[in-house]
Amino acid sequence: NAGVTQTPKFRILKIGQSMTLQCTQDMNHNYMYWYRQDPGMGLKLIYYSVGAGITDKGEVPNGYNVSRSTTEDFPLRLELAAPSQTSVYFCASSQRQGSDTEAFFGQGTRLTVV
Amino acid sequence: DAKTTQPPSMDCAEGRAANLPCNHSTISGNEYVYWYRQIHSQGPQYIIHGLKNNETNEMASLIITEDRKSSTLILPHATLRDTAVYYCIVRAPSGGSNYKLTFGKGTLLTVNP
Repeated sequence: NAGVTQTPKFRILKIGQSMTLQCTQDMNHNYMYWYRQDPGMGLKLIYYSVGAGITDKGEVPNGYNVSRSTTEDFPLRLELAAPSQTSVYFCASSQRQGSDTEAFFGQGTRLTVV
Repeated sequence: DAKTTQPPSMDCAEGRAANLPCNHSTISGNEYVYWYRQIHSQGPQYIIHGLKNNETNEMASLIITEDRKSSTLILPHATLRDTAVYYCIVRAPSGGSNYKLTFGKGTLLTVNP
């Protein structure tokens, strides 16, 4: 059982370039999330999805886009990379919306924009 | 969701119990207390959660005060591999903004040999 898989693990982008961070889960979870974590800080929610075809903004959505065409995949798109997007990105999933569910996290993608 | 307050860092000797406090004085009656940890910039890992009663699993115990304004995560026999940032999170039940976990800065627990 792979859980939540993120690719790539590391990436360096030039300012203005675009890229897609991939996230796949094999637990048939309805809920998926994207967080970013800046050095020494906690995680901040970028976007989330409650099911295929449904996405919504989190706390820091500017500069990002997401899609959810299948239950398994939740890619995060950066259209015009900026230095402020240098961060570690974590994808997570949970089984359902509820107070007694745990979220499973991927191992992260470390992105540097230069 | 209610906010939480944790000490920025703590030390613990290997083999001893690690007691990590969390203050959540504005918690609502239907909000749960969750604990996650993050080891060396890996993805956060779920530890335990509870509502009113004390909880125990294979990783840790969670003690919630009667007024629910604070809680303590207990690692009974800390090992070097328990060195991590521990996050205490208060989460609303179904509906509303329950989709997200709001992370603060957490407590950096360092287990010393």
